[in-house]
Amino acid sequence: AQSVTQLGSHVSVSEGALVLLRCNYSSSVPPYLFWYVQYPNQGLQLLLKYTTGATLVKGINGFEAEFKKSETSFHLTKPSAHMSDAAEYFCAVTGNTGNQFYFGTGTSLTVIP
Amino acid sequence: DAGVTQSPTHLIKTRGQQVTLRCSPKSGHDTVSWYQQALGQGPQFIFQYYEEEERQRGNFPDRFSGHQFPNYSSELNVNALLLGDSALYLCASSLPGGRYEQYFGPGTRLTVT
Repeated sequence: AQSVTQLGSHVSVSEGALVLLRCNYSSSVPPYLFWYVQYPNQGLQLLLKYTTGATLVKGINGFEAEFKKSETSFHLTKPSAHMSDAAEYFCAVTGNTGNQFYFGTGTSLTVIP
Repeated sequence: DAGVTQSPTHLIKTRGQQVTLRCSPKSGHDTVSWYQQALGQGPQFIFQYYEEEERQRGNFPDRFSGHQFPNYSSELNVNALLLGDSALYLCASSLPGGRYEQYFGPGTRLTVT
């Protein structure tokens, strides 16, 4: 079985500051990991994914995440926050069948001008 | 290339009624998954359809049923609506086999009164 824990339901950063959103997962099989972003009244947009290979993955809008198996983590970072980054962020995990995605409860990111 | 589309956008129903939500997958995708996202929560997996059959199901009662058509579009049906069924219902499509990332539609906001 798989599960995801997102630490911090709300994160506030100043514009231009580092963004760090935390995600820890539990998986009985090699995990496939994803970060999605959701803007108000919209669906989910894929930011980045880890399947196999390089553990540091780069996504859209300057975001990246590092898969750390020893820590069962997949934290999302961005060096410099922009006002447009304000949104809800979800970490998700699936197994090698990809049939069912397990989402965390989300982290709401606020960017302070 | 049209992405995942869902209809209707919003829906208001009364307790005990039945509702049908519709989803058209992204072009080239043959697998459709449905998720329920309650306010302030992450999406919860309802079920996935592939080759017109339910391939996997999450922890949802039998009141939730679905269908996939030969053109890969899908319907989600919910019978005997409860107040707790009020949520954003998200449809996601994926490449053949259902692995890797899922592409989400904008969702249908269901309100049960």
